[in-house]
Amino acid sequence: KAGVTQTPRYLIKTRGQQVTLSCSPISGHRSVSWYQQTPGQGLQFLFEYFSETQRNKGNFPGRFSGRQFSNSRSEMNVSTLELGDSALYLCASSLYQGNIQYFGAGTRLSVL
Amino acid sequence: EDKVVQSPLSLVVHEGDTVTLNCSYEVTNFRSLLWYKQEKKAPTFLFMLTSSGIEKKSGRLSSILDKKELFSILNITATQTGDSAVYLCAVEPVVSSNGGSEKLVFGKGTKLTVNP
Repeated sequence: KAGVTQTPRYLIKTRGQQVTLSCSPISGHRSVSWYQQTPGQGLQFLFEYFSETQRNKGNFPGRFSGRQFSNSRSEMNVSTLELGDSALYLCASSLYQGNIQYFGAGTRLSVL
Repeated sequence: EDKVVQSPLSLVVHEGDTVTLNCSYEVTNFRSLLWYKQEKKAPTFLFMLTSSGIEKKSGRLSSILDKKELFSILNITATQTGDSAVYLCAVEPVVSSNGGSEKLVFGKGTKLTVNP
């Protein structure tokens, strides 16, 4: 069974631009969560989607948004990029809410 | 605010040594505590602990949870260079009354380096 797939693996953007990251969960998994990982803050929760609905959101500004499609694939969008948005963005999927989360390899975003 | 603290932050050992990684938390009501291993990118799942005092084992790795004292430990015996990684501890708060799942709260991790 294929694992969680995130694309692209690497991104370089400049301040003010926007970016869209994609996540395909493990087949059959319906819950997708997004995390930001930085050396200083560690892994921080962004939001969770289940059945195309955002179920929970972390403490990030409104520039960070996401959505989930009917096939459970998810995208997250960051608008008006700032230098501080440079991070590894990880997606995790689980069968249902509250089950074990399995992570993808992440998208490394660099904002110049 | 919920908080998960891991110690030590980093650890350097020699192959064959036994290590104990610590995770303490201040989450007042949680569903489970999870351990992950992160080598390069994707954290990989190790253990999920829900009951106090019951040890989970997988090969040379084991983990136990103490709900009374609010901590968990991860033990690795006979360490190998392949065990070098960042070990992450996360707590999953209980599902909220509206059905939404609360976030996983992660510690900053313990970076383990195993030298040959």
